Amino acid sequence: GDSVTQMEGPVTLSEEAFLTINCTYTATGYPSLFWYVQYPGEGLQLLLKATKADDKGSNKGFEATYRKETTSFHLEKGSVQVSDSAVYFCALSARSGGYNKLIFGAGTRLAVHP
Amino acid sequence: ETGVTQSPTHLIKTRGQQVTLRCSSQSGHNTVSWYQQALGQGPQFIFQYYREEENGRGNFPPRFSGLQFPNYSSELNVNALELDDSALYLCASSPRTSGDNEQFFGPGTRLTVL
Repeated sequence: GDSVTQMEGPVTLSEEAFLTINCTYTATGYPSLFWYVQYPGEGLQLLLKATKADDKGSNKGFEATYRKETTSFHLEKGSVQVSDSAVYFCALSARSGGYNKLIFGAGTRLAVHP
Repeated sequence: ETGVTQSPTHLIKTRGQQVTLRCSSQSGHNTVSWYQQALGQGPQFIFQYYREEENGRGNFPPRFSGLQFPNYSSELNVNALELDDSALYLCASSPRTSGDNEQFFGPGTRLTVL
């Protein structure tokens, strides 16, 4: 079945460091891909998305490119801030019958220190 | 535009009890999905409602049930609570015509089963 694999955390960085969080997926068809962020004690917020191969999603300095040939959607940011500390989830949309559901990775915790 | 809201925020129950969680979808969204997020894990799809009917279900037992009302709000009911039901329950809404299958999440209800 469809699945998402993310790099394990925690990822600990100093402020202004470069961030990469790896995400690979297995899916039939052509799913949309998403990165969600979860701050402590809160629900999920959409960070960025891509709907087809070679699309680049971007938001708040974060970027991810939908790579069909490597089935990947790695999250990157050139210079992280303390406020970026959160848990990041990679997800894909899977269509089954007449409905769509999101399949999530296990999440990667990011801690950014001053 | 009002986002997805959930109630209550927190809930404590004992094993064997029953619980009802509530969700109001974002304005204009007619599809509601429920997810369970155990501590340290990614959200897992429970089921989805559209036009007041369940139109998709994940790998959860029948003691997890739901409703959707004409105003598109929804309830998640869990009977015969077990310790492993302790989790953050997330509601997500989407418009039926969402081409990229993006879902918008509420803040969640944290359920603790003692």
